[in-house]
Amino acid sequence: SAVISQKPSRDICQRGTSLTIQCQVDSQVTMMFWYRQQPGQSLTLIATANQGSEATYESGFVIDKFPISRPNLTFSTLTVSNLSPEDSSIYLCSVEWTGGAFYGYTFGSGTRLTVV
Amino acid sequence: DQQVKQNSPSLSVQEGRISILNCDYTNSMFDYFLWYKKYPAEGPTFLISISSIKDKNEDGRFTVFLNKSAKHLSLHIVPSQPGDSAVYFCAASYTGTASKLTFGTGTRLQVTL
Repeated sequence: SAVISQKPSRDICQRGTSLTIQCQVDSQVTMMFWYRQQPGQSLTLIATANQGSEATYESGFVIDKFPISRPNLTFSTLTVSNLSPEDSSIYLCSVEWTGGAFYGYTFGSGTRLTVV
Repeated sequence: DQQVKQNSPSLSVQEGRISILNCDYTNSMFDYFLWYKKYPAEGPTFLISISSIKDKNEDGRFTVFLNKSAKHLSLHIVPSQPGDSAVYFCAASYTGTASKLTFGTGTRLQVTL
């Protein structure tokens, strides 16, 4: 399966600022996925990023708040804009892998964001 | 609407015993299910998956059982080891949704000596 390098691993940001998270994959992938895990909760899909087209956002997530860049098949960024304390979460990128009859998803190590 | 539920937020098991983690889902269109393990400060790690055409899949110490009629799956870990202590998430997907995963809320497993 692919190996994902995600950075930063953690950051503390002032409210009103933005944070950009990067994910680099060691192989070319068609789709990359961005998830959020709020404290004590499950992982929720934010958006799916295809190379060369606009990201597809899930209900409750908008491009102005979570702009995504996907310049090539191995890289993507997620920006969390106009930060508020409610944005304090772990953000993860993910890619799909296939192996015979099975498939799965590899995740980056996550970015722990704290907004103060 | 929580389509994938893990009703036990935590579970404690003695080393060497069996750990059974449960997961229920409500969306009958889900046809593929996965289990992930997550340590603090790390991303989720894939453990095992199962397609809806099967009722059991085994990989080493990990076995996943699927009961489609009950919309229920379970992960068995035998024997449990202290290194298995982590949060376990079940996830589900269905064909035609650009491979989107819907996650459960997680169960924290603690394996004691």
